Amino acid sequence: SQQGEEDPQALSIQEGENATMNCSYKTSINNLQWYRQNSGRGLVHLILIRSNEREKHSGRLRVTLDTSKKSSSLLITASRAADTASYFCATDLSGTYKYIFGTGTRLKVLA
Amino acid sequence: NAGVTQTPKFRVLKTGQSMTLLCAQDMNHEYMYWYRQDPGMGLRLIHYSVGEGTTAKGEVPDGYNVSRLKKQNFLLGLESAAPSQTSVYFCASSSGVTQPQHFGDGTRLSIL
Repeated sequence: SQQGEEDPQALSIQEGENATMNCSYKTSINNLQWYRQNSGRGLVHLILIRSNEREKHSGRLRVTLDTSKKSSSLLITASRAADTASYFCATDLSGTYKYIFGTGTRLKVLA
Repeated sequence: NAGVTQTPKFRVLKTGQSMTLLCAQDMNHEYMYWYRQDPGMGLRLIHYSVGEGTTAKGEVPDGYNVSRLKKQNFLLGLESAAPSQTSVYFCASSSGVTQPQHFGDGTRLSIL
């Protein structure tokens, strides 16, 4: 089974609204990353948060990490149609060089 | 700056045929990865490399082989293609295990 599971699987909102998606994982991690994938393209890195960090911001993105609950959330504020994409979390397996990706949240922002 | 380039972009194979997917990166990254993406499954790691001349197995390595003879190239081979290997294959590279991965745009492979 996947290390990271995103929730919800799909999300549809109006332009200007905020979008929140969550990621849960199973084992201890050193860091967690969020990626975006536009249709037919490769993944693009958005933000990395380390296990000793609780919150991180990058432009309209806000990521939180709760290691006690083994969960993370990605908030996109003031969403735009261009934010329409799938969003994935990726967690490292401690002691390895591997990252495990979740199944993703498909976000649709309606203009 | 091209980043990560995957060749080919599309390919259709018959069961039992072999082929090699090429990944090239121009960022001097040590780490390179091959993933497959299937509907509802997210990305699954096939093989990875932590430097020139090294390779290691990921989550789903069966039926695939890889080579990293040059630092900038990471090849993924299918020796005898099976319909279950129909997927979109992504290559990625990074400068370190805690650094962002840079992805190519994928190879869409269909096996009939």
